[in-house]
Order: sequence, then structure tokens, then C-alpha cells
Amino acid sequence: AQTVTQSQPEMSVQEAETVTLSCTYDTSESDYYLFWYKQPPSRQMILVIRQEAYKQQNATENRFSVNFQKAAKSFSLKISDSQLGDAAMYFCAYNAGNMLTFGGGTRLMVKP
Amino acid sequence: KAGVTQTPRYLIKTRGQQVTLSCSPISGHRSVSWYQQTPGQGLQFLFEYFSETQRNKGNFPGRFSGRQFSNSRSEMNVSTLELGDSALYLCASRLPGLATDTQYFGPGTRLTVL
Repeated sequence: AQTVTQSQPEMSVQEAETVTLSCTYDTSESDYYLFWYKQPPSRQMILVIRQEAYKQQNATENRFSVNFQKAAKSFSLKISDSQLGDAAMYFCAYNAGNMLTFGGGTRLMVKP
Repeated sequence: KAGVTQTPRYLIKTRGQQVTLSCSPISGHRSVSWYQQTPGQGLQFLFEYFSETQRNKGNFPGRFSGRQFSNSRSEMNVSTLELGDSALYLCASRLPGLATDTQYFGPGTRLTVL
């Protein structure tokens, strides 16, 4: 079974600074997708970024980028120029079929 | 396009009762998945429906069931509610393409069982 691990339950960053959230996963599949979702206090899950495992190039979306290391099964999220609105729970998720497997989440706090 | 909608947003039930939650996917999306989120267990997959057929089911007891209608709207039902069923229930929809297509989530239904 696939597992996703987020080793940082909580992280803190100063506004305008950069922060990196870690995620590792375990799978025997070679073709899969990885996602980062953000869940603010409203509890709405919002897609932040997605990475296809067959692509070597790391995905980027504005201030959000990933460092995807397939051999190491690592998928970290970097948030640049952090904003107060980035404060939320962040979930790493893995998908090789019809279902998402989520990590336990990292609570990100942004200090003004 | 309107996003995924879920009704009701909040529910309070008592043990032993049953509950039905509804999810309307994004227009054109034919796959609907359900997830349970609790502080103790995190986010767990319940089941997925595609073209009115259940395609995948998570490790939940038979008290949890679902269905999908011809317009892709989905309902999930929990019978004989237990205190441990208190959770945020999230619905997600995706296009009928690759199984790994991105899933888009609704705002959730917060169920409290007393």
C-alpha cells in the first residue's frame, strides 16, 4: 500500500520569506501523480500544485514550486515571498489510480 | 464554472440515526470521490463513483454507502451513526479522463454525532 509522510506537523515563516514543506512517499508504482493541497480555516481543499512522476522538470505555479526527487521518493513544496494568506494546513497527496492518499498535513503559520 | 457543491454544510445527528450527504460535481465532471477527515485518522478515501458505478472503495464498514445519479450528482449515506463518525466529509470531482486527473474538492459537510 502507498503511504505518504509529512514529517513536519507545524512550520512557521516570516512574511516575505521562503519556506519549504517536506513530503516523502512510498510506492512500487512507476507512473503516478503527486499533489499539494492547501486547506485554510474555511476547510476548503484547494489545489496548489501537481507533478507528474514521468516529468523530470519540477512544477512551478507562481510563488509555489516543488522539488521532486523520484529516486528518493521525496516531494517538497517551496513557498517564496510568503504571504499572510498562505497560512493554512498543507497536505501532500499521491495518486496512482482512482484515489488520493494523503499525508498527515503540515500547519503553516505566517508571522507578520 | 461553478465549483463542487456539498449540502448540507453542517449536520448534527444522534447515535443510531442515519444521514445522507449530497455532492454536485463541477459541470462535465463524471467522477465523484468521497473522503472522511478526522483529527485522529486524517484524510481517508471512502469511495469513488463514475458513470453511476462504484469503482473503488476504501476500508470503511458497510454502514457507509453511496450512489451516483445520471447527472453525476452523488450521495453518501451513513447508517446507524456512531460517535466516531463525527468528521468533515469531503467530496471531490474530476474529469472522465485519466484516473490520475486532478480532483477538485467541495467545501465539505461537517457531521457531528451526539
